[in-house]
Amino acid sequence: DAKTTQPTSMDCAEGRAANLPCNHSTISGNEYVYWYRQIHSQGPQYIIHGLKNNETNEMASLIITEDRKSSTLILPHATLRDTAVYYCIVRIPAGGTSYGKLTFGQGTILTVHP
Amino acid sequence: NAGVTQTPKFQVLKTGQSMTLQCAQDMNHNSMYWYRQDPGMGLRLIYYSASEGTTDKGEVPNGYNVSRLNKREFSLRLESAAPSQTSVYFCASSLHHQPYNEQFFGPGTRLTVL
Repeated sequence: DAKTTQPTSMDCAEGRAANLPCNHSTISGNEYVYWYRQIHSQGPQYIIHGLKNNETNEMASLIITEDRKSSTLILPHATLRDTAVYYCIVRIPAGGTSYGKLTFGQGTILTVHP
Repeated sequence: NAGVTQTPKFQVLKTGQSMTLQCAQDMNHNSMYWYRQDPGMGLRLIYYSASEGTTDKGEVPNGYNVSRLNKREFSLRLESAAPSQTSVYFCASSLHHQPYNEQFFGPGTRLTVL
């Protein structure tokens, strides 16, 4: 799986957009980019995923650069409940024992403050 | 739907004791997973079951066994617990063992081995 690099921590004011970057410069052409988050003491929660195009759902938007070497997760109007660790994950699409597995790194601690 | 449920929520064991962590999902998912989470290590995959009747090792399988009892249930057994197995254990499920299928996580079991 491609390695990902995320900032250790970020702050965001409530009501503002939170933009969380992720670098995955070694990503291969058929690997997906996934975002999960983990609120304190809870299990991880799926947010969004994409391959090449930008994606949007009810929780967030995912912007993937044209060369696919980096991406940004956007929470359009952050709330206090969005305070969590955010994980950017690149998943190998097929083949070998890594198929379908999630590999979590250290993630970004996002703190949303009033 | 309850989603993914895990029992127990907390457990304290003495070194050498055995126990089974239970996991069940009611989403008719085919694939199930066991992860452990340790401070500074992120989540690591212990075992997974791509479909009913199959199980495979993940990154850190030593000291654990699993049973895919039926489509709904996937248990994790510690035969002789060791302090190094003190961790938070998460069970997850997905519709298929595919990289574009999101994984749904349970609330976790916090295990302490003395």
